Amino acid sequence: NAGVMQNPRHLVRRRGQEARLRCSPMKGHSHVYWYRQLPEEGLKFMVYLQKENIIDESGMPKERFSAEFPKEGPSILRIQQVVRGDSAAYFCASSPAGREGYTFGSGTRLTVV
Amino acid sequence: GESVGLHLPTLSVQEGDNSIINCAYSNSASDYFIWYKQESGKGPQFIIDIRSNMDKRQGQRVTVLLNKTVKHLSLQIAATQPGDSAVYFCAEKQGGSEKLVFGKGTKLTVNP
Repeated sequence: NAGVMQNPRHLVRRRGQEARLRCSPMKGHSHVYWYRQLPEEGLKFMVYLQKENIIDESGMPKERFSAEFPKEGPSILRIQQVVRGDSAAYFCASSPAGREGYTFGSGTRLTVV
Repeated sequence: GESVGLHLPTLSVQEGDNSIINCAYSNSASDYFIWYKQESGKGPQFIIDIRSNMDKRQGQRVTVLLNKTVKHLSLQIAATQPGDSAVYFCAEKQGGSEKLVFGKGTKLTVNP
């Protein structure tokens, strides 16, 4: 079991570019969550998705950020027109349907220059 | 002006000692709590969880205590080892919601 796979591990973008972060959940997990972590802070919830559905996006910034979890393929967190304040570690977690217990991936560290 | 950085609470212990890490949670409606360990450059790793209908749960070398009256959670690590050095986060979840709310974290350093 490969666990939750995130790629890339590190991503550098210039201001104004787009960032795409990918997350493949654990085998058998149908729920995906995205969290953001600033240096020396706890993780902050962004969005919760099931296949083809956004269930809770209460933590997502209203503009420039979007997430999807298609029927086939990984979940994608997309940040358009990145700004320096978007620099952070972005973690994905997955869980089985109807059960608690997240498993987190190793994260994508986004640096906006 | 001068910028003030955020500093994590820190705990420094000697190898072999017991460690106690504390956490105050925010929502009296939370019914599920988790402790995570995060090593540098890695994602959070599950340590132990507890539901609100319990006040104590034990794992291997770890014990979580829950005091709902004062909304306090603690993690006890027995015979702390250098490999336990990491940042520890508590997280709470409210019934009916799937999102976790994380605390600020405590940096544990184990001295050999």
